[in-house]
Amino acid sequence: QQQVKQSPQSLIVQKGGISIINCAYENTAFDYFPWYQQFPGKGPALLIAIRPDVSEKKEGRFTISFNKSAKQFSLHIMDSQPGDSATYFCAASTSGQFYFGTGTSLTVIP
Amino acid sequence: DGGITQSPKYLFRKEGQNVTLSCEQNLNHDAMYWYRQDPGQGLRLIYYSQIVNDFQKGDIAEGYSVSREKKESFPLTVTSAQKNPTAFYLCASSISGSLGQPQHFGDGTRLSIL
Repeated sequence: QQQVKQSPQSLIVQKGGISIINCAYENTAFDYFPWYQQFPGKGPALLIAIRPDVSEKKEGRFTISFNKSAKQFSLHIMDSQPGDSATYFCAASTSGQFYFGTGTSLTVIP
Repeated sequence: DGGITQSPKYLFRKEGQNVTLSCEQNLNHDAMYWYRQDPGQGLRLIYYSQIVNDFQKGDIAEGYSVSREKKESFPLTVTSAQKNPTAFYLCASSISGSLGQPQHFGDGTRLSIL
């Protein structure tokens, strides 16, 4: 059973556009929600993270929106660039255990 | 330069053979994790350790074994009992295994069957 459901599986965006990736969860015990960026042949790198007492967090062009009542959170990439082309994973954590979404392959077209 | 080092980058296993993947961290993190990554399935937890000399099974521990004799090292052995070992294996660490802290990942080991 997938603890964290991520969509879409793949996404193509024009340079300068907004990329949006969505995740949903069921376990209300989750208390930490990170997003990771992964390039081919590399390990995931932490991009941005949020805790459930905050509804939005912004770091540069990356924003997490968090809806506790709907048990959903999303990543918004503003002004998307070709260098953002990568696979993005959402995750949720409780008691030190992490559960990952299945990933979104983002392609930004110049 | 602090980080997580996984070796080797590529590994080949023969039938009936056990192989060991190395993971070393110099971040002074208490918790360490092993994940398996298959296309379209995200990361699945194999084993994790919150403290030296203690580790717990994850969702897909069958056919794998680990040890945590030192804080900085968490090797994973893929045994011959693991019938489908071909995958990308990722090691991670975090400051604490009990609180929501970010995980830092190594660059993985790709294991293939000969």
